[in-house]
Amino acid sequence: EVQLVESGGGLVKPGGSLRLSCAASGFTFSSYSMNWVRQAPGKGLEWVSSISSSSTYIYYADSVKGRFTISRDNAKNSLYLQMNSLRAEDTAVYYCARDPRVGATTPIGLSDIWGQGTMVTVSS
Amino acid sequence: QSALTQPASVSGSPGQSITISCTGTSSDVGGYNYVSWYQQHPGKAPKLMIYDVSKRPSGVSNRFSGSKSGSTASLTISGLQAEDEADYYCCSYAGSSTPFGGGTKLTVL
Repeated sequence: EVQLVESGGGLVKPGGSLRLSCAASGFTFSSYSMNWVRQAPGKGLEWVSSISSSSTYIYYADSVKGRFTISRDNAKNSLYLQMNSLRAEDTAVYYCARDPRVGATTPIGLSDIWGQGTMVTVSS
Repeated sequence: QSALTQPASVSGSPGQSITISCTGTSSDVGGYNYVSWYQQHPGKAPKLMIYDVSKRPSGVSNRFSGSKSGSTASLTISGLQAEDEADYYCCSYAGSSTPFGGGTKLTVL
């Protein structure tokens, strides 16, 4: 079964750090670009970051640039999001999602497989 | 990286058709044929319904269709069913980013 499972969410103080993980199974992880998308409580979806299959191409939303770092370990079938200098407005459910285009280098807003999400709360 | 504009809500009766619009600019929706639509039920992850403006993934009902005119994309749902009640989001390629619309809540009356 094709599956994405996020972990690592939790409660963190403003200015703190958190590392999210996304474990992939059921498909050849190393062939696909991956995305992080978040959703603040009661709000809409917001694209956060994307990484190509070999980590050559990386993209960030302006709202997280310089604070978040996306990475992946194809040997471990895992995607990561290192979040530093967290703010209250980063509070959200964070989803990892697969771009279905094999070998894609640029994100086009296309995600066919989504995880169940992990909640990040930034509060003192 | 501005969000795309969607109506906050739409509604329709079972069996009717509804259309949800998604308005952007020539830098996103109007400039590329890379518009996707997602359905999200409460507490669930989004589900891909339409990609590349008008293509349907395998398994998605043909009651769902997409189109684009200029900088406005549209999602049409025909033969409305109770299970279509959900939030719908558009998303577009915009160079080095992929903004979403603000979302539209569909109510099936």
